[in-house]
Amino acid sequence: GQQVQQSPPASLVLQEGENAELQCTYSTTLNSMQWFYQRPGGRLVSLLYSPSWAEQRGGRLTSSAASNESRSSLHISSSQITDSGTYLCAKLSGSFNKLTFGAGTRLAVCP
Amino acid sequence: EAAVTQSPRNKVAVTGGKVTLSCNQTNNHNNMYWYRQDTGHGLRLIHYSYGAGSTEKGDIPDGYKASRPSQENFSLILELATPSQTSVYFCASGDEAGGVYEQYFGPGTRLTVL
Repeated sequence: GQQVQQSPPASLVLQEGENAELQCTYSTTLNSMQWFYQRPGGRLVSLLYSPSWAEQRGGRLTSSAASNESRSSLHISSSQITDSGTYLCAKLSGSFNKLTFGAGTRLAVCP
Repeated sequence: EAAVTQSPRNKVAVTGGKVTLSCNQTNNHNNMYWYRQDTGHGLRLIHYSYGAGSTEKGDIPDGYKASRPSQENFSLILELATPSQTSVYFCASGDEAGGVYEQYFGPGTRLTVL
């Protein structure tokens, strides 16, 4: 079964300016995780990389991880229309740093 | 920014035909990966490589082969393409720098098998 579960599970609609929190839960111990952004039909763009013990910040984005709870979060503040797209989390593991992805959350920010 | 390119960007193949997807990275990364992306599944790892001459099976390797002839190039080979292999394929490269490990992705190849 799916080792990485994302929530909201499929899609999220926000009004411009609202905040959002996306979460990932893992079936095994969390090592590090990486959050990606993808436009429809586009390549994945790395947003934040977060070791399990650290909070990472990048502009309006903040990621945090709770390894003891096997959970990580991506917080988007003051959402903008250009934030619309799909957000994927991925758990990093193994000696060759393989990624295990969640199914993604499609975010739509409306004016 | 890491540079990963893929070719072709779009491909239509017939069932039973051979398909080769190519990936090139100019970042001198040791590790390279092939994923496929399907609705409801996110990205799933097919094959990966930790250096020239090496290939390893990922989570869904059946029906696929891989080749890493050089540090820069990593190919995914479908010897006998099937309609179930219709998908978007992404290549990535990655390495560790300063305690941080990140993967950088190519633009994707949309493959349709008829």
